[in-house]
Amino acid sequence: DSGVTQTPKHLITATGQRVTLRCSPRSGDLSVYWYQQSLDQGLQFLIQYYNGEERAKGNILERFSAQQFPDLHSELNLSSLELGDSALYFCASSVSGGGSPLHFGNGTRLTVT
Amino acid sequence: AQSVTQLDSQVPVFEEAPVELRCNYSSSVSVYLFWYVQYPNQGLQLLLKYLSGSTLVKGINGFEAEFNKSQTSFHLRKPSVHISDTAEYFCAVSTQGGSEKLVFGKGTKLTVNP
Repeated sequence: DSGVTQTPKHLITATGQRVTLRCSPRSGDLSVYWYQQSLDQGLQFLIQYYNGEERAKGNILERFSAQQFPDLHSELNLSSLELGDSALYFCASSVSGGGSPLHFGNGTRLTVT
Repeated sequence: AQSVTQLDSQVPVFEEAPVELRCNYSSSVSVYLFWYVQYPNQGLQLLLKYLSGSTLVKGINGFEAEFNKSQTSFHLRKPSVHISDTAEYFCAVSTQGGSEKLVFGKGTKLTVNP
């Protein structure tokens, strides 16, 4: 058990809809990361938050947004969903600095129909 | 920008045989290197990491990896594999002094056959 909790585990929704994925980091970790895993693109970094502030941005679409709350949990919002957004979305957390490894949750599997 | 190339997408081996999963990286700055394992329907679990010092690093489950700066490689090895090692393995890098975000390779699917 990595200590990172993601909910829900599975999500099935229709095109054009909006969903919210939730992540609770390990106790004491200030950084939260979101990744998208698909068969064709592999593991793609979306965004990182550190103690409530955006720290790094990757290949995140404009239809996607994220935030980290004062209690350090994070939410990833996906809107105007398309079939191609179907993927496994991972959250990870870490302490900051010095090559700290990321600890991953079990992911949310999103299916857009 | 950094990139990671995992040279083999699939590696089939027999139980108790040795295995090497290859990883090369590209970066204009110094990096930290990691190997993660993903079992079916699970998240990624850290196997080992190289931050500095000895170029041979040992991880969990009997795995080890060797950092070779001149060849920009970080190959993963295990002298004798078990059926339970069947999983997907990912090599990843992050930059020293930068964000801790990881850039991953495409993964190598290791299948251990009896």
